[in-house]
Amino acid sequence: DVKVTQSSRYLVKRTGEKVFLECVQDMDHENMFWYRQDPGLGLRLIYFSYDVKMKEKGDIPEGYSVSREKKERFSLILESASTNQTSMYLCASTTAGGTASTDTQYFGPGTRLTVL
Amino acid sequence: AQTVTQSQPEMSVQEAETVTLSCTYDTSESNYYLFWYKQPPSRQMILVIRQEAYKQQNATENRFSVNFQKAAKSFSLKISDSQLGDTAMYFCAFMNTGNQFYFGTGTSLTVIP
Repeated sequence: DVKVTQSSRYLVKRTGEKVFLECVQDMDHENMFWYRQDPGLGLRLIYFSYDVKMKEKGDIPEGYSVSREKKERFSLILESASTNQTSMYLCASTTAGGTASTDTQYFGPGTRLTVL
Repeated sequence: AQTVTQSQPEMSVQEAETVTLSCTYDTSESNYYLFWYKQPPSRQMILVIRQEAYKQQNATENRFSVNFQKAAKSFSLKISDSQLGDTAMYFCAFMNTGNQFYFGTGTSLTVIP
Protein backbone atom coordinates (compact mmCIF):
# COMPACT_ATOMS: atom_id res chain seq x y z
CA ASP A 1 0.00 0.00 0.00
CA VAL A 2 1.07 3.51 -0.70
CA LYS A 3 2.00 5.33 2.42
CA VAL A 4 2.17 9.05 2.86
CA THR A 5 3.16 10.15 6.34
CA GLN A 6 3.27 13.56 7.93
CA SER A 7 5.52 14.44 10.82
CA SER A 8 2.80 15.57 13.22
CA ARG A 9 -0.96 15.12 13.56
CA TYR A 10 -1.35 18.15 15.83
CA LEU A 11 0.91 21.13 16.25
CA VAL A 12 0.61 24.30 18.31
CA LYS A 13 2.95 27.19 17.60
CA ARG A 14 3.20 30.86 18.53
CA THR A 15 2.95 33.81 16.21
CA GLY A 16 6.29 34.55 14.59
CA GLU A 17 7.74 31.08 15.03
CA LYS A 18 9.27 29.22 12.12
CA VAL A 19 7.31 26.03 11.47
CA PHE A 20 8.36 22.95 9.54
CA LEU A 21 5.85 20.40 8.31
CA GLU A 22 7.33 17.27 6.81
CA CYS A 23 5.85 14.78 4.41
CA VAL A 24 7.32 11.46 3.33
CA GLN A 25 6.02 9.03 0.72
CA ASP A 26 7.26 5.53 0.08
CA MET A 27 6.03 4.90 -3.47
CA ASP A 28 8.77 6.65 -5.43
CA HIS A 29 6.24 9.20 -6.65
CA GLU A 30 7.54 12.09 -8.69
CA ASN A 31 4.83 14.57 -7.76
CA MET A 32 4.15 15.90 -4.29
CA PHE A 33 1.68 18.52 -3.12
CA TRP A 34 0.86 20.64 -0.08
CA TYR A 35 -2.71 21.78 0.51
CA ARG A 36 -4.46 23.58 3.26
CA GLN A 37 -8.00 22.61 4.11
CA ASP A 38 -10.42 25.08 5.66
CA PRO A 39 -14.16 24.67 6.26
CA GLY A 40 -16.18 25.93 3.31
CA LEU A 41 -13.08 26.45 1.18
CA GLY A 42 -12.15 22.88 0.37
CA LEU A 43 -8.54 22.12 -0.44
CA ARG A 44 -6.35 24.91 -1.70
CA LEU A 45 -2.99 24.18 -3.26
CA ILE A 46 -0.05 25.90 -1.60
CA TYR A 47 2.91 24.44 -3.49
CA PHE A 48 3.72 21.40 -5.54
CA SER A 49 6.84 19.70 -6.81
CA TYR A 50 7.40 17.57 -9.89
CA ASP A 51 10.94 16.56 -9.07
CA VAL A 52 13.74 16.89 -6.60
CA LYS A 53 14.74 20.51 -6.01
CA MET A 54 11.86 21.63 -8.17
CA LYS A 55 8.87 23.60 -6.88
CA GLU A 56 5.92 25.45 -8.29
CA LYS A 57 3.57 27.88 -6.60
CA GLY A 58 -0.01 26.88 -6.18
CA ASP A 59 -2.98 29.12 -5.54
CA ILE A 60 -1.99 30.43 -2.09
CA PRO A 61 1.82 30.40 -1.70
CA GLU A 62 2.10 33.63 0.29
CA GLY A 63 3.65 33.09 3.70
CA TYR A 64 4.91 29.62 2.80
CA SER A 65 7.97 28.05 1.25
CA VAL A 66 8.88 24.46 0.44
CA SER A 67 11.89 22.24 0.14
CA ARG A 68 12.42 19.01 -1.75
CA GLU A 69 15.95 17.76 -1.33
CA LYS A 70 15.04 14.10 -1.71
CA LYS A 71 12.42 12.48 -3.88
CA GLU A 72 10.50 10.97 -0.99
CA ARG A 73 10.39 14.06 1.21
CA PHE A 74 8.56 17.35 0.73
CA SER A 75 8.68 19.96 3.46
CA LEU A 76 6.39 22.93 3.99
CA ILE A 77 7.88 25.88 5.84
CA LEU A 78 6.06 28.75 7.50
CA GLU A 79 8.80 31.36 7.85
CA SER A 80 6.93 33.40 10.45
CA ALA A 81 3.70 31.77 11.54
CA SER A 82 0.60 33.92 11.80
CA THR A 83 -2.82 33.21 13.29
CA ASN A 84 -4.43 33.13 9.83
CA GLN A 85 -2.29 30.10 9.05
CA THR A 86 -4.18 28.05 11.61
CA SER A 87 -5.53 25.24 9.45
CA MET A 88 -5.36 21.59 8.48
CA TYR A 89 -2.42 20.89 6.17
CA LEU A 90 -2.55 17.92 3.83
CA CYS A 91 0.30 16.44 1.88
CA ALA A 92 -0.30 14.30 -1.20
CA SER A 93 1.74 12.46 -3.79
CA THR A 94 1.13 10.94 -7.20
CA THR A 95 3.13 9.34 -9.94
CA ALA A 96 4.02 11.35 -13.01
CA GLY A 97 1.77 11.12 -16.04
CA GLY A 98 -1.32 10.33 -14.08
CA THR A 99 -2.89 8.44 -16.94
CA ALA A 100 -2.84 4.89 -15.62
CA SER A 101 -6.13 3.57 -14.37
CA THR A 102 -4.86 3.41 -10.82
CA ASP A 103 -3.29 6.85 -10.75
CA THR A 104 -4.63 9.17 -8.13
CA GLN A 105 -3.40 11.39 -5.36
CA TYR A 106 -2.51 9.64 -2.14
CA PHE A 107 -2.96 11.75 0.93
CA GLY A 108 -1.23 11.89 4.27
CA PRO A 109 -3.26 11.98 7.50
CA GLY A 110 -2.97 15.74 7.80
CA THR A 111 -1.44 18.09 10.34
CA ARG A 112 -3.76 20.33 12.30
CA LEU A 113 -1.75 23.44 13.00
CA THR A 114 -2.86 26.02 15.54
CA VAL A 115 -1.01 29.32 15.70
CA LEU A 116 -1.58 31.26 18.92
CA ALA B 1 -8.34 28.08 -15.10
CA GLN B 2 -10.23 25.06 -13.96
CA THR B 3 -12.89 25.35 -11.29
CA VAL B 4 -14.82 22.66 -9.46
CA THR B 5 -18.17 23.42 -7.84
CA GLN B 6 -20.02 21.39 -5.26
CA SER B 7 -23.27 23.17 -4.58
CA GLN B 8 -24.39 21.01 -1.65
CA PRO B 9 -22.42 21.83 1.52
CA GLU B 10 -24.36 19.29 3.58
CA MET B 11 -26.54 16.30 2.84
CA SER B 12 -28.11 13.49 4.80
CA VAL B 13 -29.54 10.12 3.85
CA GLN B 14 -31.25 7.29 5.65
CA GLU B 15 -29.30 4.10 6.02
CA ALA B 16 -29.85 1.73 3.06
CA GLU B 17 -31.17 4.54 0.87
CA THR B 18 -29.53 6.07 -2.19
CA VAL B 19 -28.02 9.54 -2.33
CA THR B 20 -26.50 11.58 -5.14
CA LEU B 21 -23.83 14.23 -4.64
CA SER B 22 -23.45 16.77 -7.39
CA CYS B 23 -20.33 18.27 -8.92
CA THR B 24 -19.79 20.55 -11.87
CA TYR B 25 -16.54 21.76 -13.31
CA ASP B 26 -15.28 24.20 -15.85
CA THR B 27 -12.41 23.55 -18.22
CA SER B 28 -11.37 24.18 -21.79
CA GLU B 29 -9.34 20.98 -21.95
CA SER B 30 -10.64 17.93 -23.77
CA ASN B 31 -8.67 15.29 -21.90
CA TYR B 32 -8.74 15.19 -18.12
CA TYR B 33 -9.60 13.04 -15.12
CA LEU B 34 -12.24 13.35 -12.45
CA PHE B 35 -12.25 11.94 -8.95
CA TRP B 36 -14.37 11.62 -5.87
CA TYR B 37 -12.51 11.49 -2.58
CA LYS B 38 -13.87 10.60 0.83
CA GLN B 39 -12.60 12.04 4.10
CA PRO B 40 -14.16 10.34 7.13
CA PRO B 41 -14.16 12.30 10.39
CA SER B 42 -10.58 12.57 11.70
CA ARG B 43 -9.35 10.12 9.13
CA GLN B 44 -7.27 10.13 5.99
CA MET B 45 -8.63 11.21 2.62
CA ILE B 46 -9.03 8.27 0.27
CA LEU B 47 -10.06 7.79 -3.34
CA VAL B 48 -13.61 6.60 -3.94
CA ILE B 49 -13.82 6.54 -7.71
CA ARG B 50 -12.06 7.86 -10.81
CA GLN B 51 -13.29 8.69 -14.32
CA GLU B 52 -11.28 9.39 -17.46
CA ALA B 53 -12.90 12.06 -19.60
CA TYR B 54 -12.26 10.17 -22.83
CA LYS B 55 -14.29 7.21 -21.58
CA GLN B 56 -18.02 7.43 -22.16
CA GLN B 57 -18.84 4.62 -19.80
CA ASN B 58 -19.58 5.73 -16.27
CA ALA B 59 -17.21 4.38 -13.64
CA THR B 60 -18.57 2.12 -10.93
CA GLU B 61 -16.99 0.81 -7.76
CA ASN B 62 -19.27 -1.48 -5.77
CA ARG B 63 -21.98 0.74 -4.23
CA PHE B 64 -20.47 3.89 -5.76
CA SER B 65 -21.14 5.02 -9.29
CA VAL B 66 -20.87 8.24 -11.23
CA ASN B 67 -23.00 10.00 -13.77
CA PHE B 68 -20.52 11.70 -16.07
CA GLN B 69 -22.02 14.19 -18.50
CA LYS B 70 -19.08 15.62 -20.44
CA ALA B 71 -21.04 18.14 -22.47
CA ALA B 72 -22.70 19.48 -19.35
CA LYS B 73 -19.43 19.26 -17.39
CA SER B 74 -21.20 17.39 -14.66
CA PHE B 75 -19.84 14.57 -12.51
CA SER B 76 -22.22 13.36 -9.81
CA LEU B 77 -21.61 10.56 -7.34
CA LYS B 78 -24.33 8.07 -6.48
CA ILE B 79 -24.06 6.03 -3.30
CA SER B 80 -26.43 3.09 -3.17
CA ASP B 81 -27.46 1.19 -0.05
CA SER B 82 -25.90 3.88 2.16
CA GLN B 83 -24.05 2.64 5.22
CA LEU B 84 -23.11 4.38 8.45
CA GLY B 85 -19.48 4.18 7.40
CA ASP B 86 -20.25 6.38 4.40
CA THR B 87 -20.60 9.36 6.73
CA ALA B 88 -17.79 11.64 5.60
CA MET B 89 -16.82 14.75 3.72
CA TYR B 90 -16.79 14.08 -0.02
CA PHE B 91 -14.64 16.08 -2.40
CA CYS B 92 -14.93 16.19 -6.15
CA ALA B 93 -11.62 16.79 -7.94
CA PHE B 94 -10.38 17.49 -11.45
CA MET B 95 -6.94 16.64 -12.78
CA ASN B 96 -5.55 18.02 -16.01
CA THR B 97 -2.92 16.38 -18.17
CA GLY B 98 -0.30 18.42 -16.35
CA ASN B 99 -1.09 16.53 -13.14
CA GLN B 100 -2.58 19.60 -11.49
CA PHE B 101 -5.50 18.90 -9.21
CA TYR B 102 -8.43 21.17 -8.44
CA PHE B 103 -10.85 20.40 -5.64
CA GLY B 104 -14.40 21.42 -4.86
CA THR B 105 -15.37 22.79 -1.46
CA GLY B 106 -16.78 19.47 -0.31
CA THR B 107 -20.12 17.97 0.68
CA SER B 108 -20.60 16.73 4.21
CA LEU B 109 -22.70 13.57 4.07
CA THR B 110 -24.38 12.13 7.14
CA VAL B 111 -25.94 8.70 7.03
CA ILE B 112 -28.79 8.46 9.53
CA PRO B 113 -29.48 5.12 11.18
